[in-house]
Amino acid sequence: AQTVTQSQPEMSVQEAETVTLSCTYDTSESDYYLFWYKQPPSRQMILVIRQEAYKQQNATENRFSVNFQKAAKSFSLKISDSQLGDAAMYFCAYRRGGATNKLIFGTGTLLAVQP
Amino acid sequence: NAGVTQTPKFRVLKTGQSMTLLCAQDMNHEYMYWYRQDPGMGLRLIHYSVGEGTTAKGEVPDGYNVSRLKKQNFLLGLESAAPSQTSVYFCASSYDGGRAYNEQFFGPGTRLTVL
Repeated sequence: AQTVTQSQPEMSVQEAETVTLSCTYDTSESDYYLFWYKQPPSRQMILVIRQEAYKQQNATENRFSVNFQKAAKSFSLKISDSQLGDAAMYFCAYRRGGATNKLIFGTGTLLAVQP
Repeated sequence: NAGVTQTPKFRVLKTGQSMTLLCAQDMNHEYMYWYRQDPGMGLRLIHYSVGEGTTAKGEVPDGYNVSRLKKQNFLLGLESAAPSQTSVYFCASSYDGGRAYNEQFFGPGTRLTVL
């Protein structure tokens, strides 16, 4: 069975600094997708960034980028120039390729941004 | 375009009571999902549906039933609520299972407390 592990329950970063959130996953599949979701205090789940396993190039969305290490099964999220609005719970998620679209989530990392 | 909506937003039940959570989406999505979120455990899939009239079990289906009588609605039922079902429940929807950029859109969540 596939699993997603986030080993950092909480992280803290100074405003304007850079922070990296870790995620590892376990799968025997070759076709899959990885995601980072943000959940602010409002509880709304917001997709931050996604990565297809077959793509070697790391995904980037503005200040958010990933370091995808397929052989190591690692998928970390880097937030550059951190802003107060980045404070939230961040979830890493995995989904197998093909017809199913079931997401498997990690346990989350709570990010605090210090002014 | 309201996206994914959930009714109610909060609910308190006594052990043994029943209730139904309603999820509605106006994006003509085929797939719909129900997750529960518990502290320290991330989101876990309860049931999902791949189209009108279909339902399937997810990771933690026990104690819940679902129905998808209309494409835009996905109902989650608790026949006899237990304190272990105290959680935040999220509904999500997506176009279908297989596309690469097949984002799941989440509702705002329902906080359920069972006393």
